[in-house]
Amino acid sequence: GAVVSQHPSRVICKSGTSVKIECRSLDFQATTMFWYRQFPKQSLMLMATSNEGSKATYEQGVEKDKFLINHASLTLSTLTVTSAHPEDSSFYICSADQGSTDTQYFGPGTRLTVL
Amino acid sequence: EDKVVQSPLSLVVHEGDTVTLNCSYEVTNFRSLLWYKQEKKAPTFLFMLTSSGIEKKSGRLSSILDKKELFSILNITATQTGDSAVYLCGGFGNEKLTFGTGTRLTIIP
Repeated sequence: GAVVSQHPSRVICKSGTSVKIECRSLDFQATTMFWYRQFPKQSLMLMATSNEGSKATYEQGVEKDKFLINHASLTLSTLTVTSAHPEDSSFYICSADQGSTDTQYFGPGTRLTVL
Repeated sequence: EDKVVQSPLSLVVHEGDTVTLNCSYEVTNFRSLLWYKQEKKAPTFLFMLTSSGIEKKSGRLSSILDKKELFSILNITATQTGDSAVYLCGGFGNEKLTFGTGTRLTIIP
């Protein structure tokens, strides 16, 4: 089956630093990737939709300048949390759309803790 | 390696029918099992299950977890066309969330 990986799986950083999270589709090409943030009570919030070779589409209320998304290739999308603050601490999950099957495959998530 | 398997992959039923969706899991340091409904983009949270044998209900939807047999079921009674969606099951453990590939449910009017 289709596999999506995320790196790192866990990161702890100091307030004010930037953190980059990678999302890779390992055995298929993903024209579209999605970035989610998991809130308390386990709900997932869609942050942005990333299309290869074009600018990401951000959901309302998500700061574009704070959460930089780059979809550089058909197998890689990155989310950079700039000038991270403790309130950015969360679980970030990506998913990749295989396109032909209209199915999203989820990565295992990245736990970000900002001190 | 953690694994979550959902069955069936796809299900087509008539409006008013009752459906049961299955989810089996192998998750290291298992903490909870999550059910989501996905229609377009962002999945909608349905249930979080942590204890075995306790049924959770929300309207026509209900779910139960069996931690001994490592599976969960999601029941939908008196289905409506608005229930058509992909239903995702995810196992959360050890700071990692593993989803199954989902069950695509289609309700025919």
